[in-house]
Amino acid sequence: EVLLVESGGGLVQPGGSLRLSCAASGFRFSGCWMSWVRQSPGKGLEWVAIIKQDGSEKVYVDSVKGRFTISRDNAKNSLYLQMSSLRAEDTAVYHCVRGNGWFFDYWGQGTLVTVSS
Amino acid sequence: DIVMTQSPDSLAVSLGERATINCKSSQSILSSSNNKNYLAWHQQKPGQPPKLLIYWASTRESGVPDRFSGSGSGTDFTLTISSLQAEDVAVYYCQQSYGAPLTFGGGTRVEI
Repeated sequence: EVLLVESGGGLVQPGGSLRLSCAASGFRFSGCWMSWVRQSPGKGLEWVAIIKQDGSEKVYVDSVKGRFTISRDNAKNSLYLQMSSLRAEDTAVYHCVRGNGWFFDYWGQGTLVTVSS
Repeated sequence: DIVMTQSPDSLAVSLGERATINCKSSQSILSSSNNKNYLAWHQQKPGQPPKLLIYWASTRESGVPDRFSGSGSGTDFTLTISSLQAEDVAVYYCQQSYGAPLTFGGGTRVEI
């Protein structure tokens, strides 16, 4: 069974930093592109970042470029999102998502990040 | 950026009736190299993460009931639920993988 379990969310002040983690199991993690997708409370979905299987390619949505860094540790079957210079508009549930070919086929439950003073 | 526009925002359908959701992309998401549309549909039930229903615009993901079907090409796409069941109450999102940034439609809420 494919499982993606996020952690690391919480309340942080504007300008602060947070590191999200995603523990993957039930599939060959090193063989998949992985993404972070966020969902603001009561709102729709926004893709944040994607990373290639070996970590050699990373792409970000413009709104987080220079502030967020996606990374992975294939030995630990783990995906990460380092977030800095956080803004109120970054408040959202952050989902870890597996890429299968060109599409997102498994989603984690998500971890809530709240940016507020 | 490719903008995905869904309609309607919400719809109420009787049990056993057909539900139709539309999705329009701001540019073609049909690849000339492989003749495939880079379009997926995701279903999100209350309190759950999204679930992939359809990819390549019309290919059902394994385990998805055949009452769900996708159609369309280029810039105009449709998700059809042929006979709505109670468990289909959810928000449905279209999503393009043609180019970065990967983008989603605003969602369509389906109710009984």
